[in-house]
Amino acid sequence: SAVISQKPSRDICQRGTSLTIQCQVDSQVTMMFWYRQQPGQSLTLIATANQGSEATYESGFVIDKFPISRPNLTFSTLTVSNMSPEDSSIYLCSVGVLAGVSYNEQFFGPGTRLTVL
Amino acid sequence: LAKTTQPISMDSYEGQEVNITCSHNNIATNDYITWYQQFPSQGPRFIIQGYKTKVTNEVASLFIPADRKSSTLSLPRVSLSDTAVYYCLVGDAGNTPLVFGKGTRLSVIA
Repeated sequence: SAVISQKPSRDICQRGTSLTIQCQVDSQVTMMFWYRQQPGQSLTLIATANQGSEATYESGFVIDKFPISRPNLTFSTLTVSNMSPEDSSIYLCSVGVLAGVSYNEQFFGPGTRLTVL
Repeated sequence: LAKTTQPISMDSYEGQEVNITCSHNNIATNDYITWYQQFPSQGPRFIIQGYKTKVTNEVASLFIPADRKSSTLSLPRVSLSDTAVYYCLVGDAGNTPLVFGKGTRLSVIA
């Protein structure tokens, strides 16, 4: 298993500013992902955070808006840049952990609730 | 990635067995079927995962027919605390990130 913590747990920000969300895992993991969950909606994958290389972004998400760092196998950050009210969401960090011979289990952090005014 | 279809919502009384069926017609040979549970203000939590036939753990059972084009999550004797959103996901079990569908919102009534 994996225990994931995120900071901050919530924040209220002004339009045009940026917020960096931290994700810390209690063990080294190869796979780390960032998701967004807008109010009342399902989770949407933003990107895969790659250690030692640039993140892999999903369609609709770009590095300039959501820069991601992955300096080591236990830590990642997601920055939400130049925020607008449409960025108000819960942002979740997730990791993949080997759970069997041939498959992994994905664990999720508690999320960061962001409100942009 | 295989697309999944599941009911948007379900209601159940306490103590009843709840079965949530998910369709995944274009599941690939190396895909696993995984179910997650999400309570409000929390991240999703793994419930159960299977490849074929039946899998049971302390929380739920997962039934998968031979053609694997659908699966059924069975929650025995639900309680109010089982009120949550349940997601059915199909994929290669962690080698690529999970892609979430809309999920099923289960409401358990006293």
